[in-house]
Amino acid sequence: GAVVSQHPSWVICKSGTSVKIECRSLDFQATTMFWYRQFPKQSLMLMATSNEGSKATYEQGVEKDKFLINHASLTLSTLTVTSAHPEDSSFYICSARDQMAQGKANYGYTFGSGTRLTVV
Amino acid sequence: GNSVTQMEGPVTLSEEAFLTINCTYTATGYPSLFWYVQYPGEGLQLLLKATKADDKGSNKGFEATYRKETTSFHLEKGSVQVSDSAVYFCALSDRANTDKLIFGTGTRLQVFP
Repeated sequence: GAVVSQHPSWVICKSGTSVKIECRSLDFQATTMFWYRQFPKQSLMLMATSNEGSKATYEQGVEKDKFLINHASLTLSTLTVTSAHPEDSSFYICSARDQMAQGKANYGYTFGSGTRLTVV
Repeated sequence: GNSVTQMEGPVTLSEEAFLTINCTYTATGYPSLFWYVQYPGEGLQLLLKATKADDKGSNKGFEATYRKETTSFHLEKGSVQVSDSAVYFCALSDRANTDKLIFGTGTRLQVFP
């Protein structure tokens, strides 16, 4: 089945540094990827929708200059948290959409295993 | 706008008890509905889905029926196991709006032996 690899699974960084999270679709082409943020014991909040070859569409309230998204190929999207601060500590999850998979079991949405970011 | 409302947790049950987790939605158009499960420290896995009214999604003993008249998609299981302990998310996809998934707040299920 469709697999999305998200890396790293966890990262600890110092305040003020930048962190890059990768999301790869391993066996399908993902023209659209989604980035979510999950606070402890809360739901997933959509941060942005990433389309291959074009600028990401950010949800209201998400700082696009802080959360840089790049989707340069059909199998890779990256989220860079710039100048990270402790309040950016969270669990980040990506999801890739296989446009050809509407009839398949997961209806085309496959999630990565998430990245736990801790900023100290 | 589109939204999903889930019952608050945690839901605490004994093994073999009956489970219901309520989910209602608000959407324009005809959304597809999903239940996802998240085990501790992991990402989300699709549990089941329904793409049109009166469809019943089922998997691993879990069931949910797409009820357009009540805008609901309640999750049920007749006999829960300890291994079902996880967080369950109800979600909808509105194909008229970039296909993005809108999630409910999640409901934590704790099953004790």
